[in-house]
Amino acid sequence: AQSVTQPDIHITVSEGASLELRCNYSYGATPYLFWYVQSPGQGLQLLLKYFSGDTLVQGIKGFEAEFKRSQSSFNLRKPSVHWSDAAEYFCAVATDGGADGLTFGKGTHLIIQP
Amino acid sequence: DAGVIQSPRHEVTEMGQEVTLRCKPISGHNSLFWYRQTMMRGLELLIYFNNNVPIDDSGMPEDRFSAKMPNASFSTLKIQPSEPRDSAVYFCASSLGSPIISNYGYTFGSGTRLTVV
Repeated sequence: AQSVTQPDIHITVSEGASLELRCNYSYGATPYLFWYVQSPGQGLQLLLKYFSGDTLVQGIKGFEAEFKRSQSSFNLRKPSVHWSDAAEYFCAVATDGGADGLTFGKGTHLIIQP
Repeated sequence: DAGVIQSPRHEVTEMGQEVTLRCKPISGHNSLFWYRQTMMRGLELLIYFNNNVPIDDSGMPEDRFSAKMPNASFSTLKIQPSEPRDSAVYFCASSLGSPIISNYGYTFGSGTRLTVV
């Protein structure tokens, strides 16, 4: 069965600094990968997804992620964070075309300090 | 479109009571998913439907949990009887066809925060 690991439970970044959130997956075939963001008391919003093609994927809100098959990773990056980026970030993997739902990581809580 | 609509937003109930959570997917979406979020276990897929038919309920924790989708615009998740360990946020999500090719992937509702005392 597939699994997702987000090794960092909490990350603190200064406003304006760059950000990288780590995600590693375990799956035997080509995975479909997602990053979602969850603001307090809200549902999950899709930031970006990868399923084929260019391994560097651009998403909303200035985020990007790079798929590295050799490292089984799909790390999320942003060159300059804003206070509004403080939230919980979830990496997820889908298999079988995604028809059977997502497997999520435990999430990374992003704290932005002034 | 109003997105995926879940009700109620918050539910507090006593142990042993029946709880019903409701979900209205995005019009035209043909797949619906129920997830549970807890601090300990993160986000877990409970059950999903395709064209109103339950496809996989292997994530449903116990027989106390049941889900139905009587039509394309409505689904319920029921817990009977409820227990304190059922306290969690329950999310509903929907998608049109393969979420891989959909621009929005899975669209999530805002969730129902359930507290069982």
